Amino acid sequence: DADVTQTPRNRITKTGKRIMLECSQTKGHDRMYWYRQDPGLGLRLIYYSFDVKDINKGEISDGYSVSRQAQAKFSLSLESAIPNQTALYFCTRGLREKLFFGSGTQLSVL
Amino acid sequence: QKEVEQNSGPLSVPEGAIASLNCTYSDRGSQSFFWYRQYSGKSPELIMSIYSNGDKEDGRFTAQLNKASQYVSLLIRDSQPSDSATYLCAVQNYGGSQGNLIFGKGTKLSVKP
Repeated sequence: DADVTQTPRNRITKTGKRIMLECSQTKGHDRMYWYRQDPGLGLRLIYYSFDVKDINKGEISDGYSVSRQAQAKFSLSLESAIPNQTALYFCTRGLREKLFFGSGTQLSVL
Repeated sequence: QKEVEQNSGPLSVPEGAIASLNCTYSDRGSQSFFWYRQYSGKSPELIMSIYSNGDKEDGRFTAQLNKASQYVSLLIRDSQPSDSATYLCAVQNYGGSQGNLIFGKGTKLSVKP
């Protein structure tokens, strides 16, 4: 979905490094989410936000943090990356219960 | 633990045939049901939503819901090679977790010319 922009598209980092994945949306929706996708495990929710002041943990939030800098921006941080955080990360915007995905960030932690 | 189960496939059908994709869910309180399509290397995109028992048709796609059996299906008529993708079933309960979606692991569909 072109109106959800994720940067970077690909990132290789080393164990222990701090990394931030950025996401912005142009539709002005309140709801934003971060998911990770792993082969065989499907999509799992990391964090979600229904408003700038409303941040909630998802199913697998350990090792991650988020910041909702503005309604349009929702970033995901890995404070100290580890190899099992290697995955495809998606940011989404939500219109009621429907999700619209960004293009994804492929993260590799060596 | 709320679960959404799908057969991982691959499901292989010939061009022009009907592809039938199935999904079961564990939470009887689930209220909204979705099918997303994900092409290899791309992000998921919403293709169907269904909220009440019965069938919902949209072009070549038909979603079927049976809440009593906790079963959702997606039928693709006149399957085309361009339908080859992974199909994700997603279920929403408006109760806990503020109604976030729970995704199945997806069924990979291959349509052979």
